[in-house]
Amino acid sequence: QQQVKQSPQSLIVQKGGISIINCAYENTAFDYFPWYQQFPGKGPALLIAIRPDVSEKKEGRFTISFNKSAKQFSLHIMDSQPGDSATYFCAASLRTSGSRLTFGEGTQLTVNP
Amino acid sequence: DTGVSQDPRHKITKRGQNVTFRCDPISEHNRLYWYRQTLGQGPEFLTYFQNEAQLEKSRLLSDRFSAERPKGSFSTLEIQRTEQGDSAMYLCASSFLGQVGETQYFGPGTRLLVL
Repeated sequence: QQQVKQSPQSLIVQKGGISIINCAYENTAFDYFPWYQQFPGKGPALLIAIRPDVSEKKEGRFTISFNKSAKQFSLHIMDSQPGDSATYFCAASLRTSGSRLTFGEGTQLTVNP
Repeated sequence: DTGVSQDPRHKITKRGQNVTFRCDPISEHNRLYWYRQTLGQGPEFLTYFQNEAQLEKSRLLSDRFSAERPKGSFSTLEIQRTEQGDSAMYLCASSFLGQVGETQYFGPGTRLLVL
């Protein structure tokens, strides 16, 4: 059962543009929603995370927007840079289930110079 | 380096052989997770430990897979009688129960290729 769906599968953005990646979840009990960045040959690294009691969280160029009623959340990367080229995963977890992460399928972002 | 470490980074084995991977978590972390990631997919949960206790196993973890975390420190993941379908990246992550958000920090992974 795919509980977290992510789109698009791939995204090409020009340097300085805005990258937007979307995720939808099914389990309304999820209580933690992180975004991870992964470079080839490396493990995922946490970028930013949000809890469902807030609708937006911003850290530097990265913003999560959260819509609890629609069961959707998105990652916005402002002023995208070539160094942001990586695969991005959204995830969700539930504290009472040991906080194990359920990941989306991933979005391969390419930022052209 | 105080991050999560995994060994080996790469493993090539023949079908039917047994393999064992090791994960060393961040020292003060009491939770340790194993995930499997196939090419082009997100990581999938396999199992997790709280201290030395294995609290949950995914149905993905067949009887050929076993994980341990003796003394609540490092962990090992063993695959017996490997199959070609076991080829994947095996990721370990650790976190501290009680920390706000319980951020999971991932290691670099062990890439397994079964011939």
